[in-house]
Amino acid sequence: EAQVTQNPRYLITVTGKKLTVTCSQNMNHEYMSWYRQDPGLGLRQIYYSMNVEVTDKGDVPEGYKVSRKEKRNFPLILESPSPNQTSLYFCASSLTRNSYEQYFGPGTRLTVT
Amino acid sequence: DQQVKQNSPSLSVQEGRISILNCDYTNSMFDYFLWYKKYPAEGPTFLISISSIKDKNEDGRFTVFLNKSAKHLSLHIVPSQPGDSAVYFCAASVYNQGGKLIFGQGTELSVKP
Repeated sequence: EAQVTQNPRYLITVTGKKLTVTCSQNMNHEYMSWYRQDPGLGLRQIYYSMNVEVTDKGDVPEGYKVSRKEKRNFPLILESPSPNQTSLYFCASSLTRNSYEQYFGPGTRLTVT
Repeated sequence: DQQVKQNSPSLSVQEGRISILNCDYTNSMFDYFLWYKKYPAEGPTFLISISSIKDKNEDGRFTVFLNKSAKHLSLHIVPSQPGDSAVYFCAASVYNQGGKLIFGQGTELSVKP
């Protein structure tokens, strides 16, 4: 089954404790990105990757890091989480950077206390 | 600065009637528009899209209309069904901008039996 998976689905952590949210897709997509969803703001792009070893900042990259060592995986790293990073996070992928339709993972609900 | 706006946070309609969800945008460079549907605890899923060279696109019960002069698009669902109850996100993109989608805030549709 073609899908984007994220882990964990739910995470409660404390300020400053490094964490990683994993994302994997099995569709051989070149383009992957991370979004956060906050009430009243919709989804905002954090980082994106056009292919292996090619990543760039989205609209809200502060406090986040990403890496793309393999085509299928695109982990999101919070080196020192803060309460304002409490949010619902989605990973998405598409065939290429010019494929408008993106496939989303199920989401990761992160709470930073 | 919200480039894509959905001004109605919620909408309630009766089963069998028409649902009309609205979206406004400010960036005249947007050349492709999409609607995503999101159920609780799931990621957004692609519903329907429209290119800026068209003013209407239909797919079964779903029709998207684009009014470029007004920078406005709408999603019509006819007839509405209880299973259509979800949050609907409008999104816009510019060709060759890295596959980036700009999302509206979302409208929660409730279809009552």
